[in-house]
Amino acid sequence: QKEVEQDPGPLSVPEGAIVSLNCTYSNSAFQYFMWYRQYSRKGPELLMYTYSSGNKEDGRFTAQVDKSSKYISLFIRDSQPSDSATYLCAMRSNYQLIWGAGTKLIIKP
Amino acid sequence: DTAVSQTPKYLVTQMGNDKSIKCEQNLGHDTMYWYKQDSKKFLKIMFSYNNKELIINETVPNRFSPKSPDKAHLNLHINSLELGDSAVYFCASSPEGMSTDTQYFGPGTRLTVL
Repeated sequence: QKEVEQDPGPLSVPEGAIVSLNCTYSNSAFQYFMWYRQYSRKGPELLMYTYSSGNKEDGRFTAQVDKSSKYISLFIRDSQPSDSATYLCAMRSNYQLIWGAGTKLIIKP
Repeated sequence: DTAVSQTPKYLVTQMGNDKSIKCEQNLGHDTMYWYKQDSKKFLKIMFSYNNKELIINETVPNRFSPKSPDKAHLNLHINSLELGDSAVYFCASSPEGMSTDTQYFGPGTRLTVL
């Protein structure tokens, strides 16, 4: 079993839809949870960063962490074609940083 | 002004050759990294390095070696290239070690080994 599981997709939704992207993990030592966005032929860039369980909102993006279930989510409201990218989750303990495989998201106009 | 830059952007070479990829960051960060991203988009850390410590992912073949002439640069040397080395290689940097901060990625170097 991988330490971090993420469905590679692709996930295709119409413009304006609410998107839910998810990762599950097995190591309870993970304390920091991040979502990166990677456009085609570009490097990943940080979208959201959370430390504890609960929700964190930034514009149209909401990151949710449920440590009891070892499950994190990224919600995108009012999705736009410009949101089409690969979204990677990453999580960190004091000793290691582990990345999910990334979910390819396609927003159809 | 580019924060993390890599050269070359594309690299096509024959099996058995030795090649280098250069990385520079102008963010004043202490720690730099090299990642390999395969065709399935899985991002795998190869090295992390600051002026105190080099941490090597034990699964990385010793044909790969990082070289840091100074804090702002971390180059990747690859000896005896193999077909399986074909991938996109990303350089990244962060203000502190892995236990704390965000990483900033370069644009990637697409390596193709023929």
